[in-house]
Amino acid sequence: KNEVEQSPQNLTAQEGEFITINCSYSVGISALHWLQQHPGGGIVSLFMLSSGKKKHGRLIATINIQEKHSSLHITASHPRDSAVYICAAPSYGGSQGNLIFGKGTKLSVKP
Amino acid sequence: GAGVSQSPSNKVTEKGKDVELRCDPISGHTALYWYRQRLGQGLEFLIYFQGNSAPDKSGLPSDRFSAERTGESVSTLTIQRTQQEDSAVYLCASNNAPGTTPPVFGPGTRLTVT
Repeated sequence: KNEVEQSPQNLTAQEGEFITINCSYSVGISALHWLQQHPGGGIVSLFMLSSGKKKHGRLIATINIQEKHSSLHITASHPRDSAVYICAAPSYGGSQGNLIFGKGTKLSVKP
Repeated sequence: GAGVSQSPSNKVTEKGKDVELRCDPISGHTALYWYRQRLGQGLEFLIYFQGNSAPDKSGLPSDRFSAERTGESVSTLTIQRTQQEDSAVYLCASNNAPGTTPPVFGPGTRLTVT
């Protein structure tokens, strides 16, 4: 069964800073998820990626399948980016089935 | 519908009572997931339905928990004889073609057991 580790657990940044959140997992997968949980509790899927890099606005996600590691970057961070960021991987590897979640990284961006 | 909907949004119940939580997935989504998030904790997997396959129930914490899904539509999560430790936000998600599309999450049901 996959184990998903995230770091850091908490992150405080000043507006405009470049943010990096890391995620590692133990069982080989072919798709990893990054999610955002807003302060109100709603969860939004940000990325699902199986190789290389994906970009959406100021968010960039990268994955190294061989090293079982992924990173989420936020460029030019803004207070509205304050949220919990969660990575998740299929429980038994591969790409399907239920997801195992990291404990999340709570990001706070100060103006 | 446009998104995944869940009802009720909030539920307060007395210890020992049964509760039923409902999830309406996005029309056409073959996969449906239930997760639980206790206060200050991460997301825990409960159960996964995929098409007509037998559901993956490996995350259900006890036999007081059960879930059903009618075809590829509505799902209900039932908790019998609720305990205080069942207090949590119960989240439902759905997607089509798992492994190629990310799940879409519902807003959750906040369950408080007093």
